[in-house]
Amino acid sequence: GAGVSQSPSNKVTEKGKDVELRCDPISGHTALYWYRQRLGQGLEFLIYFQGNSAPDKSGLPSDRFSAERTGESVSTLTIQRTQQEDSAVYLCASSLVAAGTEAFFGQGTRLTVV
Amino acid sequence: GENVEQHPSTLSVQEGDSAVIKCTYSDSASNYFPWYKQELGKRPQLIIDIRSNVGEKKDQRIAVTLNKTAKHFSLHITETQPEDSAVYFCAASKGSGGYQKVTFGTGTKLQVIP
Repeated sequence: GAGVSQSPSNKVTEKGKDVELRCDPISGHTALYWYRQRLGQGLEFLIYFQGNSAPDKSGLPSDRFSAERTGESVSTLTIQRTQQEDSAVYLCASSLVAAGTEAFFGQGTRLTVV
Repeated sequence: GENVEQHPSTLSVQEGDSAVIKCTYSDSASNYFPWYKQELGKRPQLIIDIRSNVGEKKDQRIAVTLNKTAKHFSLHITETQPEDSAVYFCAASKGSGGYQKVTFGTGTKLQVIP
């Protein structure tokens, strides 16, 4: 596709269950970001991948959160033992590796933990 | 790491008036400063950006200014219209050997009152 694609678009899960969110970046974009956005709030940085470099995991809020990316392709964000406070929209963005380039966002996955 | 502060968090203006949103950054090596607009329920999208070799950039009713010495940059919207109502995010990044993680501000919710 032409843009960043995320799936699912909506996910309702029971507290304590694990969830996996998927992000397909724009082809050729080696930089990939995950953000969390709670209702009415800003963009909370979670993790940043760039090419084959070690990911910047400094934004992951707890060890229940993890993310993987193979090469320059799909990324998955996994939340284990979900809690109600994990309810939010999870946004993925990708960009070219160059000094100063636009980040393109996916439409997000709205996660609701009940 | 980079720290970006954004003010105000909310802003209400009458239609036709101007709106100004200000951001400061901490890392003097940052050299790319994009602004994103997020309409309700939608993904953030780039509206304008500026690089450190330029002091001002304008695109129709939108302008951005950069003061490298003071490490702050601002978004100016003139002749505001109801469709300008959205959340605006500033950001900063630097290119260093291809590493250019983007750091976002906390967002400004702009309401244009008809």
